[in-house]
Amino acid sequence: NAGVTQTPKFQVLKTGQSMTLQCAQDMNHEYMSWYRQDPGMGLRLIHYSVGAGITDQGEVPNGYNVSRSTTEDFPLRLLSAAPSQTSVYFCASSATGQHSYEQYFGPGTRLTVT
Amino acid sequence: AQSVTQLDSQVPVFEEAPVELRCNYSSSVSVYLFWYVQYPNQGLQLLLKYLSGSTLVKSINGFEAEFNKSQTSFHLRKPSVHISDTAEYFCAVSPISGGYNKLIFGAGTRLAVHP
Repeated sequence: NAGVTQTPKFQVLKTGQSMTLQCAQDMNHEYMSWYRQDPGMGLRLIHYSVGAGITDQGEVPNGYNVSRSTTEDFPLRLLSAAPSQTSVYFCASSATGQHSYEQYFGPGTRLTVT
Repeated sequence: AQSVTQLDSQVPVFEEAPVELRCNYSSSVSVYLFWYVQYPNQGLQLLLKYLSGSTLVKSINGFEAEFNKSQTSFHLRKPSVHISDTAEYFCAVSPISGGYNKLIFGAGTRLAVHP
């Protein structure tokens, strides 16, 4: 049982490049989300999904795209990277129903945009 | 809308001393309350939560937090800290209904335990 996995762990991009951050979970969780962590700002919600085929925007969605074709995977796409997207990105998942309050976080992807 | 304020960005403390990390929140709806911990170069882990019932909640490693509705606070305390408690601690809230577990985080408090 690997929990929530994220790849890559580190990435350096040039301004204007695109890339996809991968996230997968093996706990059969319906709910998945992406956060970015910036110094002094805590974590902010980018996008979330309540099940396969259903996604919605969080607090800071601009410049990011998501899709959810399977329960297990929730990739985050940067369409045209900007230095303001330099951050640490965390994926999280949780069950629905009685235990939906507890989110499980991946180890993070540290992204630098030059 | 909800917001979370962690009143201290850094808290230095000596080993075996008590510590309190302060958290206040603002919300127009009822919320669940959480403390998450992030050890260096790791993801976040749930430390403890308040959902309902007793306002004092405890973790397995000696931390406790008390929900104070009138002061909208959820401060985290430990009577005697260890070096291994060095980490960043995040207070978070989530709307009870319709929130789909949308966590709103505070900015974090970095706890540094010195020998």
